[in-house]
Amino acid sequence: EDQVTQSPEALRLQEGESSSLNCSYTVSGLRGLFWYRQDPGKGPEFLFTLYSAGEEKEKERLKATLTKKESFLHITAPKPEDSATYLCAVHNPSGGGADGLTFGKGTHLIIQP
Amino acid sequence: EPEVTQTPSHQVTQMGQEVILRCVPISNHLYFYWYRQILGQKVEFLVSFYNNEISEKSEIFDDQFSVERPDGSNFTLKIRSTKLEDSAMYFCASSDSTTSQPQHFGDGTRLSIL
Repeated sequence: EDQVTQSPEALRLQEGESSSLNCSYTVSGLRGLFWYRQDPGKGPEFLFTLYSAGEEKEKERLKATLTKKESFLHITAPKPEDSATYLCAVHNPSGGGADGLTFGKGTHLIIQP
Repeated sequence: EPEVTQTPSHQVTQMGQEVILRCVPISNHLYFYWYRQILGQKVEFLVSFYNNEISEKSEIFDDQFSVERPDGSNFTLKIRSTKLEDSAMYFCASSDSTTSQPQHFGDGTRLSIL
């Protein structure tokens, strides 16, 4: 059973057209939800960490929000350089030690000029 | 800005051969990780390493895999006898704590098994 589900799988927007990406999670006792950006052939690049419901973080055209069941990555007036795959991840539920992350499948975002 | 570096960027190996993937984590980080991403699939956790021992490992990380920190800067992943299904991107990551700081990833090694 997937612990992290992202939607949509792919999203094509016009430049300047704002939208939101969704990440639903089912782990209990959330110890951090992470957003990453991944460009083709590259490793995930860290964007945000969220810890508690109601928390929000912003960076340029991106804003991440968190509820008890899901997180949203809002993108405002996107530019073509925002095109990438956006990944959501949570700490593995086993707990203890140096915990790995469980990733969703990602949302492939394309911003057309 | 400090970054995680991985070598080689691409490794081609015959099935059954041993392969070692190398990583230099960010210098003041204490926690190290390996992940893999099969083409078109999600990033999957393999193993975490702290204080010179494995902290957590996934079901993927079987006896064919091992990790080592041979000196103060390198962190390696060894696959003893490679299989076709080991073909994937392998990412190394590091962090300076388990929960309060994010994991930072390298750009990966593309492993191709022939």
